[in-house]
Amino acid sequence: GAVVSQHPSWVICKSGTSVKIECRSLDFQATTMFWYRQFPKQSLMLMATSNEGSKATYEQGVEKDKFLINHASLTLSTLTVTSAHPEDSSFYICSARDRYIRAFFGQGTRLTVV
Amino acid sequence: QKEVEQDPGPLSVPEGAIVSLNCTYSNSAFQYFMWYRQYSRKGPELLMYTYSSGNKEDGRFTAQVDKSSKYISLFIRDSQPSDSATYLCAMLYSGAGSYQLTFGKGTKLSVIP
Repeated sequence: GAVVSQHPSWVICKSGTSVKIECRSLDFQATTMFWYRQFPKQSLMLMATSNEGSKATYEQGVEKDKFLINHASLTLSTLTVTSAHPEDSSFYICSARDRYIRAFFGQGTRLTVV
Repeated sequence: QKEVEQDPGPLSVPEGAIVSLNCTYSNSAFQYFMWYRQYSRKGPELLMYTYSSGNKEDGRFTAQVDKSSKYISLFIRDSQPSDSATYLCAMLYSGAGSYQLTFGKGTKLSVIP
């Protein structure tokens, strides 16, 4: 299957700082990427959909000014958590859609805000 | 009624058993059906991908889709301790500029040696 690389795998940051998470499709071009958040023992919660070269579409209740998404190329999307607070601590996962419309996931990023 | 229903378990089976995981859905517009495996603190891994009713086999895994009943299953033969993970079903609708991927809540499986 296709490979999606997400970096970093885990990060600890101080409250008030910003954190950037990268998502790369390594062996295919992804016109559409997705960002999810997952709480312990719960399923994936879609945060936003990003299309290459255009603004991301955010799900209801997700603050677009807090979770900045940039999809600058067909292989890279970034999620920046701005002015992070402890309640932003979570597991963030990206996904990329290939030309057969299958969705492949990155390894996830565990964010801890202290 | 939720669009996708999946029993969260947990499900514990002895090594070598046949495992049956199931999901039901309500949206008849779903066209594609997938199963993902997620180990703790990792991203989901695509296991099976089907788009028609019937069976699809890949090694020890068999995915079954019954569109008339809106029911999908994943069977794992000769289960191994390494199969212990959470299994997520996912349903996809794609068309007319829309792409909707809906997940079940996941079933946590433990295979006991």
